[in-house]
Amino acid sequence: ETGVTQSPTHLIKTRGQQVTLRCSSQSGHNTVSWYQQALGQGPQFIFQYYREEENGRGNFPPRFSGLQFPNYSSELNVNALELDDSALYLCASSLDSQAQHFGDGTRLSIL
Amino acid sequence: DQQVKQNSPSLSVQEGRISILNCDYTNSMFDYFLWYKKYPAEGPTFLISISSIKDKNEDGRFTVFLNKSAKHLSLHIVPSQPGDSAVYFCAARERGGGADGLTFGKGTHLIIQP
Repeated sequence: ETGVTQSPTHLIKTRGQQVTLRCSSQSGHNTVSWYQQALGQGPQFIFQYYREEENGRGNFPPRFSGLQFPNYSSELNVNALELDDSALYLCASSLDSQAQHFGDGTRLSIL
Repeated sequence: DQQVKQNSPSLSVQEGRISILNCDYTNSMFDYFLWYKKYPAEGPTFLISISSIKDKNEDGRFTVFLNKSAKHLSLHIVPSQPGDSAVYFCAARERGGGADGLTFGKGTHLIIQP
């Protein structure tokens, strides 16, 4: 059983740039959620995709957007990057509303 | 306003003893609770969950207890082993299947001493 994989593992960008992070869900899972984890904090929910549609969103501005593909993989896009966007971005997949399983994350640094 | 609180940033326990990690929540709409373990440079690993219709769930060395009236849950690890040293996150989900995602606490760093 292949787990959740995320790419890239690390990324450095500058303010104002745009970034795309990628996630392959665990086999058999149809739901993908994205989280942002700042240093010393717990993960914060960004949004969730189910069968290619966004079906839930946390308190994040519209410059955070996403996609889910027919094979249930997903992308997180962030436009107009700000210094506060520096964080670990975690992807989690699940089968419907069962327990979510996380990837190892992408560490994004904004200079 | 933090809806899920883990008030102990760290906890040190001797190998072989019981580790008890605590979590409090304020949102009465939460009906499903999970514990995750996180090693440095890895993503959180799912440990155990409990639905609000239960007050206890066991899986091997791990037991989760839920006290709905006190809005409190705890994770017991018996016996504690060196590999249990990690950051433990408590998470909760609202009724309705989770389209609102999980709400996490800030984590407790568990250190198992030999």
